[in-house]
Amino acid sequence: QKEVEQDPGPLSVPEGAIVSLNCTYSNSAFQYFMWYRQYSRKGPELLMYTYSSGNKEDGRFTAQVDKSSKYISLFIRDSQPSDSATYLCATASGSARQLTFGSGTQLTVLP
Amino acid sequence: GAVVSQHPSRVICKSGTSVKIECRSLDFQATTMFWYRQFPKKSLMLMATSNEGSKATYEQGVEKDKFLINHASLTLSTLTVTSAHPEDSSFYICSAIREVSDTQYFGPGTRLTVL
Repeated sequence: QKEVEQDPGPLSVPEGAIVSLNCTYSNSAFQYFMWYRQYSRKGPELLMYTYSSGNKEDGRFTAQVDKSSKYISLFIRDSQPSDSATYLCATASGSARQLTFGSGTQLTVLP
Repeated sequence: GAVVSQHPSRVICKSGTSVKIECRSLDFQATTMFWYRQFPKKSLMLMATSNEGSKATYEQGVEKDKFLINHASLTLSTLTVTSAHPEDSSFYICSAIREVSDTQYFGPGTRLTVL
């Protein structure tokens, strides 16, 4: 079993839709949770960074962490074609130095 | 946000040659940098941790004599793929830790194609 599981998609939604991206993890020691966005042929870009359980909101993006069920989510409201990318979840136990990545979900927002 | 650059962005080389990839943190100092490898539609695979002024730490299964890492300054780490073969063709991405925020920032990646 992989430490971090993520549905690879692909996922296609119409512009303006609410997008839900999810990951599950198995290691209860993970305390730090991140979402990265990666455009084609580019490096990952940090979108959201949360510590422990709870919600964090930044503009159209909301990250949720439920440590009891080992489930992390990223919601994108009012999705735009420019949101089309691969979204990677990542977790860490002690700090951001040793990240464990999900396999990434490829998202396409259709105009 | 913090900026990490990589050079070159793309390189094509013949089998048997060596290729050097540079990773620079442009607006912060990084004692720790990482090198990842990414295959198409796959996630990032950590290859090694690069520490300024000391030897790199390689992940299991990564050949240290094939993937030479040098972290000579607080803003520069290099990855040299020695005697490259077609199976080394991949997307190589570096990242750097910004200490003040304990956050990892990624470079734009280098696409290596070995003919």
